[in-house]
Amino acid sequence: KAGVTQTPRYLIKTRGQQVTLSCSPISGHRSVSWYQQTPGQGLQFLFEYFSETQRNKGNFPGRFSGRQFSNSRSEMNVSTLELGDSALYLCASSLGLGTGEEDTQYFGPGTRLTVL
Amino acid sequence: AQSVTQLDSQVPVFEEAPVELRCNYSSSVSVYLFWYVQYPNQGLQLLLKYLSGSTLVKGINGFEAEFNKSQTSFHLRKPSVHISDTAEYFCAVSDWGDYKLSFGAGTTVTVRA
Repeated sequence: KAGVTQTPRYLIKTRGQQVTLSCSPISGHRSVSWYQQTPGQGLQFLFEYFSETQRNKGNFPGRFSGRQFSNSRSEMNVSTLELGDSALYLCASSLGLGTGEEDTQYFGPGTRLTVL
Repeated sequence: AQSVTQLDSQVPVFEEAPVELRCNYSSSVSVYLFWYVQYPNQGLQLLLKYLSGSTLVKGINGFEAEFNKSQTSFHLRKPSVHISDTAEYFCAVSDWGDYKLSFGAGTTVTVRA
């Protein structure tokens, strides 16, 4: 099976712009989660989607949003970019059925976002 | 909310020596526990997981971990490391049915010849 794929792998944006990141889960996985990784804050949970519905959300401002499509692919959008949004954004997928083995998350390679 | 503490931020170790990475978590409710490894410029790769059952779990690349509920710990061990084990290691915890992972700050393992 193909793993989790994320596009693009690298992005450079300027302050005030918006950005959209894409994630394609492992085939058959219906849950997609997003995480932000920075040297200062480490790995932080952004949100999780299952069957096009957001089930859980982390403590991030409303500038961070996401959505999931009927084929389980997910996008994450950040509006009005700030310098502090520079980070590695990781997407993970799982079956998402709430029974341990089926909740095991598998990660993609990440999108490196640099905000200038 | 879960809190995960990785007690060592950096662990230097010689090749073929054993290594132990320590992880403690805060919650006393039922949890799932994971160790992930991250190589430079890559995503996270699952090393092993504890879901239920035997408290000693074995993972890929010769790693194993022991779940201790009374001490809320999940320490990772490898009896003999290789240069290729140089990476950052993350402990992660998920409450049952929470659908999110809480991560520790990471432990950088540097293996020297």
